[in-house]
Amino acid sequence: EPEVTQTPSHQVTQMGQEVILRCVPISNHLYFYWYRQILGQKVEFLVSFYNNEISEKSEIFDDQFSVERPDGSNFTLKIRSTKLEDSAMYFCASSEAEVALGKKLFFGSGTQLSVL
Amino acid sequence: DQQVKQNSPSLSVQEGRISILNCDYTNSMFDYFLWYKKYPAEGPTFLISISSIKDKNEDGRFTVFLNKSAKHLSLHIVPSQPGDSAVYFCAASARVVGNEKLTFGTGTRLTIIP
Repeated sequence: EPEVTQTPSHQVTQMGQEVILRCVPISNHLYFYWYRQILGQKVEFLVSFYNNEISEKSEIFDDQFSVERPDGSNFTLKIRSTKLEDSAMYFCASSEAEVALGKKLFFGSGTQLSVL
Repeated sequence: DQQVKQNSPSLSVQEGRISILNCDYTNSMFDYFLWYKKYPAEGPTFLISISSIKDKNEDGRFTVFLNKSAKHLSLHIVPSQPGDSAVYFCAASARVVGNEKLTFGTGTRLTIIP
């Protein structure tokens, strides 16, 4: 079965540094997402992306965050200046159609980001 | 803002018996519900979903029941197997144009005892 691939699996960074988390969504999918899960908490929506632009974002997704689909296969999440509270597991997901049509999301295995 | 609640953080069930995982929601706009299963070091994997026009959906050993008046859904696994040991997340969505997000509960860790 096709899968969403995320790299790296673990990322350790110093507070204030920039990080880029990378994802390769399933090839025929059109909708892309980032979610995160802080240890012991629920999985939280960050942003959705369709047709090369952000379609929805949460209040967590402030100016420090950005997403990009640079080459038609990769989908990246950039955090410009990391904070301690950005430490979490970040999940990329993709879907063949919008959630509003009842389509399911396929998730990658996540990148564990640790900000020191 | 806990729009989706899973009040049991953990559940242990004997192998072969029925596992029942519960989920409550508060947002009356939610009309599509999903269950995801998560193993350690892996992302959530889709299990089963249900639309608000139904009150039951079945797929093999997994059945999801939806009680709209109570804003409650449950996932039944029968018979439970050791490979079912995982964290189970309930998720909900409002199927309106422009809404792209799933709202997740905090998860229930299911342990199947051999």
